[in-house]
Amino acid sequence: KNEVEQSPQNLTAQEGEFITINCSYSVGISALHWLQQHPGGGIVSLFMLSSGKKKHGRLIATINIQEKHSSLHITASHPRDSAVYICAAYNNNDMRFGAGTRLTVKP
Amino acid sequence: EAQVTQNPRYLITVTGKKLTVTCSQNMNHEYMSWYRQDPGLGLRQIYYSMNVEVTDKGDVPEGYKVSRKEKRNFPLILESPSPNQTSLYFCASSWTGGEKLFFGSGTQLSVL
Repeated sequence: KNEVEQSPQNLTAQEGEFITINCSYSVGISALHWLQQHPGGGIVSLFMLSSGKKKHGRLIATINIQEKHSSLHITASHPRDSAVYICAAYNNNDMRFGAGTRLTVKP
Repeated sequence: EAQVTQNPRYLITVTGKKLTVTCSQNMNHEYMSWYRQDPGLGLRQIYYSMNVEVTDKGDVPEGYKVSRKEKRNFPLILESPSPNQTSLYFCASSWTGGEKLFFGSGTQLSVL
């Protein structure tokens, strides 16, 4: 079993839909990262969480430390949100990545 | 502009020919790290550095070397590349590993 599990693996949505991507981890963490990788390959950091909830535009990230679970939500999804979303658990300089969720938003 | 500069973007080489992938950041970050990304395996950490002259192994360090002689630079060295090191490589930096990460644009390496 992977230390960081993401679901779903693939997700197709219609423009405007509310999207949730889940991340569960079995390791201790001091921070959890959400990353976005566009088809061109570049990686952008969306959020770094150690507790609670963060919001940036249409993106919301939450984390429940007790349940070892984090979610990334996208409100009013748009085709430009199509990308691979990756969560990463960080502890003591060690970074463990989920396999990623490939999101396709259709117009 | 705050950025992590990684070069080259693409590299094709042959088995055994030493190569270096450069990584430089202009944000005075203390933490720098290298990752490789492979289909079906995702991203995996190769090496990281907490500061100048401080480096440590990540998940998959075999076959790689790094150095951190200056704060801004963190090159990845493959002394004797092998085909199983064909991969997409990313460098990243942050104030600490737990802070927001800034990624380079990636290096697609093919070892023939």
